[in-house]
Amino acid sequence: GENVEQHPSTLSVQEGDSAVIKCTYSDSASNYFPWYKQELGKGPQLIIDIRSNVGEKKDQRIAVTLNKTAKHFSLHITETQPEDSAVYFCAATQPYSSASKIIFGSGTRLSIRP
Amino acid sequence: GAGVSQSPRYKVAKRGQDVALRCDPISGHVSLFWYQQALGQGPEFLTYFQNEAQLDKSGLPSDRFFAERPEGSVSTLKIQRTQQEDSAVYLCASSLETSAYTGELFFGEGSRLTVL
Repeated sequence: GENVEQHPSTLSVQEGDSAVIKCTYSDSASNYFPWYKQELGKGPQLIIDIRSNVGEKKDQRIAVTLNKTAKHFSLHITETQPEDSAVYFCAATQPYSSASKIIFGSGTRLSIRP
Repeated sequence: GAGVSQSPRYKVAKRGQDVALRCDPISGHVSLFWYQQALGQGPEFLTYFQNEAQLDKSGLPSDRFFAERPEGSVSTLKIQRTQQEDSAVYLCASSLETSAYTGELFFGEGSRLTVL
């Protein structure tokens, strides 16, 4: 089955700087890669996603890149703000109806220093 | 409410007790997922329903875990004879679409289970 590795596990950046979180996946059939943000005491919330037919997607300060050959994908947050502090999870899934589940990475705790 | 609702938010059980965790998905959402999240870890898939049909239960860790969604709406995750290793946050998510590939998952805030 699919395995998603995520690093770093913790990341601290100065407010206004950029943050990058990287993930790798094992199953070349995976073709949908969402990113979720989880604040303390809350459930994860989708912030951006990318499908395998594109290499990059951007939404304001957040961007995701995908390298299918290397089976790598990354989250980039620019001009970080205090409200970006949270745990971020990358994930991967496949289109088979019988495998309709998202496999999550272990998470990155992002802290924004004022 | 407009979101996924889970109850109870916190549950403390003695080892060996049975527990039931409830999930009220967003109205009209076809797909419902249960995930287990241990402290400091990512959510791990337990089971998936499409309407009332349980299409995937490959993530349930043992036969002590049982989930149902009899009318295709509310779902209950039951854990029998709880063990300390069952301590975790149990997350429920729903989606308007029939698979995680095509639709965004909306998560509840979770039920935190502590087994003493």
